Amino acid sequence: GESVGLHLPTLSVQEGDNSIINCAYSNSASDYFIWYKQESGKGPQFIIDIRSNMDKRQGQRVTVLLNKTVKHLSLQIAATQPGDSAVYFCAENIGPGGSYIPTFGRGTSLIVHP
Amino acid sequence: DAGVTQSPTHLIKTRGQQVTLRCSPISGHKSVSWYQQVLGQGPQFIFQYYEKEERGRGNFPDRFSARQFPNYSSELNVNALLLGDSALYLCASSLVQTTNEKLFFGSGTQLSVL
Repeated sequence: GESVGLHLPTLSVQEGDNSIINCAYSNSASDYFIWYKQESGKGPQFIIDIRSNMDKRQGQRVTVLLNKTVKHLSLQIAATQPGDSAVYFCAENIGPGGSYIPTFGRGTSLIVHP
Repeated sequence: DAGVTQSPTHLIKTRGQQVTLRCSPISGHKSVSWYQQVLGQGPQFIFQYYEKEERGRGNFPDRFSARQFPNYSSELNVNALLLGDSALYLCASSLVQTTNEKLFFGSGTQLSVL
């Protein structure tokens, strides 16, 4: 299940399950969003992006959904594998005060149990 | 092809000292951005450089400075180090200077300030 506390939100799933990672973004003017995956000891790695003129985009085993009405993004990972264990960040292209600064969310730790 | 390379990978400094971090972007990429990532949080934008000019600055004190060289590599300097500067410093490159573009990250420099 998913838990949010003082530390990084964590989602624990079994191998083979589908995973859904959620993200609330801040600025209603943002029109470009990216999901990144960060494994331990590495920098964030691009997974998939979506522009605001779309509400869904699919990649290989991943789907991003965008709901602009409630400023919400989700990342769906199909048939989750142990190699998917990592921290996942959403990023929007407009930051506080309307500045064009790529702004990252806090992140969700995905743990996949074999 | 080489990805974004950062040096050093780890660094230990004491309060009040100065540090210089280095980044080489992917060949052909003209924009370099710097991010600070504190444990358990998403990357926070520090600077963006494009064609050797500063194109964006995050909410960081003047102790932080950067520059980009003609070969598009970049340096991040932090003066008068504080304990709170301890973090992973990430460099990211992109083809051009726009926030509507995915970033390619290096593995970062882990800075510890004692």
